Amino acid sequence: GAVVSQHPSWVICKSGTSVKIECRSLDFQATTMFWYRQFPKQSLMLMATSNEGSKATYEQGVEKDKFLINHASLTLSTLTVTSAHPEDSSFYICSAYPPGRATDTQYFGPGTRLTVL
Amino acid sequence: AQSVTQPDIHITVSEGASLELRCNYSYGATPYLFWYVQSPGQGLQLLLKYFSGDTLVQGIKGFEAEFKRSQSSFNLRKPSVHWSDAAEYFCAATSGTYKYIFGTGTRLKVLA
Repeated sequence: GAVVSQHPSWVICKSGTSVKIECRSLDFQATTMFWYRQFPKQSLMLMATSNEGSKATYEQGVEKDKFLINHASLTLSTLTVTSAHPEDSSFYICSAYPPGRATDTQYFGPGTRLTVL
Repeated sequence: AQSVTQPDIHITVSEGASLELRCNYSYGATPYLFWYVQSPGQGLQLLLKYFSGDTLVQGIKGFEAEFKRSQSSFNLRKPSVHWSDAAEYFCAATSGTYKYIFGTGTRLKVLA
């Protein structure tokens, strides 16, 4: 099946610094990827839709200037948490679906745990 | 508003016992429905999905789910639970706009 990877799997950073998380589709090209955030013991909340070659679409309430998304190629989307603060600590998960399979199954990455000190 | 509800936050069953996890949805039309499992610190693994057709869907790891339009439900079942099934289970739905809505999850604990 389709595989989505994330890097790093976990990261610890100091408050005020920026952190970049990568999401890669390993065996398929993804024009669209999704970024979710999951708080401890809670569900996944969609943050934004990452579109290859164009601007990301952010969900209501998500600060686009804080969570920068770049989908520079058909296999890579990055999420940069800028000027991170402790409240940004969370589990970030990306997903993608193979081309031509709209509404079909999304494949999820293993997630990145961010801890901001 | 569209929503997915998992009424049970925690469920504990004994190994070998049967399992049913509940999921209800609220959508204008029948959405596409999914069940995912998440082990601690891990991403989500698809167990099964329903798009149309047979309302009883078979998935991996011995799981199945039944779609009931009249009850707006998509409950997950397993006849005999194994200790390795202990995890968080998420029901999700999409109306075809690529945006998934997840339930709040049900944490399954399996007693030896």
